[in-house]
Amino acid sequence: SQQGEEDPQALSIQEGENATMNCSYKTSINNLQWYRQNSGRGLVHLILIRSNEREKHSGRLRVTLDTSKKSSSLLITASRAADTASYFCATGLSGSARQLTFGSGTQLTVLP
Amino acid sequence: NAGVMQNPRHLVRRRGQEARLRCSPMKGHSHVYWYRQLPEEGLKFMVYLQKENIIDESGMPKERFSAEFPKEGPSILRIQQVVRGDSAAYFCASSPPGRSWVETEAFFGQGTRLTVV
Repeated sequence: SQQGEEDPQALSIQEGENATMNCSYKTSINNLQWYRQNSGRGLVHLILIRSNEREKHSGRLRVTLDTSKKSSSLLITASRAADTASYFCATGLSGSARQLTFGSGTQLTVLP
Repeated sequence: NAGVMQNPRHLVRRRGQEARLRCSPMKGHSHVYWYRQLPEEGLKFMVYLQKENIIDESGMPKERFSAEFPKEGPSILRIQQVVRGDSAAYFCASSPPGRSWVETEAFFGQGTRLTVV
């Protein structure tokens, strides 16, 4: 599997519920970033967590990072229909010349 | 402060033609990245440029593809003699200079959707 693999591939929940998406990676990283992409649109940066951080919050978003397991999770609390989008994790690799490696994404659908 | 601007938003080319995609980074940003996204897939890194320099082109196909970021003007991704397999969304991102890569976030444009017919 590729660096930055999201799980699940698709997730469907009711409005108000929490949504959890996971990301696994293989190599050492400098940081891990989560992005959202609405259908047919560009990517919106959500949150960046550094390799020496374990948890980060931003509004209704909570990101965790476990470097020993090479995994991260994105939690969206109290989801809204407007949260419907694809969510990607991207890793900034150690020693890399600034390229980000993206997973194939989780398609989240929030039903009203 | 306008975001990353890409144009055109949609581009249709016949096989064998050339495609030129433009990207203006955010004001004050000197690092530009190009990514390609095939349908139902994540983004794949193509090239990283700073003004007048290609820093990393490890993700760029060796033939037909080229990129530049001149001293003045936008960054250009050029695809010569396009084929159907080049149909994809091409995204440009930029980031500011002088920051540790550990803390750098990339800001993406809306993308150019290239269709080769």
